[in-house]
Amino acid sequence: AQSVTQLGSHVSVSEGALVLLRCNYSSSVPPYLFWYVQYPNQGLQLLLKYTSAATLVKGINGFEAEFKKSETSFHLTKPSAHMSDAAEYFCAVTGGTSYGKLTFGQGTILTVHP
Amino acid sequence: DAGVIQSPRHEVTEMGQEVTLRCKPISGHNSLFWYRQTMMRGLELLIYFNNNVPIDDSGMPEDRFSAKMPNASFSTLKIQPSEPRDSAVYFCASSSDLSHNEQFFGPGTRLTVL
Repeated sequence: AQSVTQLGSHVSVSEGALVLLRCNYSSSVPPYLFWYVQYPNQGLQLLLKYTSAATLVKGINGFEAEFKKSETSFHLTKPSAHMSDAAEYFCAVTGGTSYGKLTFGQGTILTVHP
Repeated sequence: DAGVIQSPRHEVTEMGQEVTLRCKPISGHNSLFWYRQTMMRGLELLIYFNNNVPIDDSGMPEDRFSAKMPNASFSTLKIQPSEPRDSAVYFCASSSDLSHNEQFFGPGTRLTVL
């Protein structure tokens, strides 16, 4: 079985500050990891994905994430927050015989204040 | 390119009524997923199809829920009879195959059962 834990259901940062959203996974097989963003009243949009190539993955809108096997983590970062980054962010895992079936974390709501 | 299309975007119905949600996946994608999102339970995978065949329906909550994919370009999720606890946002997603590729989400259908 696979699982994802997102630490912190709400994160608040100032505009221009570092964004750090935490994700830890559990998987008995090599994982494939994803970060999705959901803006209000919209569907989920892929930010970035890790598929066993480079451990540092760059995504859209200036976000990146680093896969750390020893820590079973896949934290999402952005050096400088923008007001438009305010949204809910989901980490997800798949792999092995569960291929295609994503297991999502509970989500982290990011608030950016001026 | 058109993304995943869902209809209706909003549905308000009374308890006991039949509800049918519709989804058109991205052309060429052969995997389709139905999710439900609520505040209490987050994102839940209900069922997914590959090449129009249901692969895993273990997430379907009850026999009141059923899903079909009669062809590669159309799927339905039916709830009969509907109950207030079915109120949620239902998302459809598609991907090009099951081998760990990202899923593309539709805008969702917000269902309210009174």
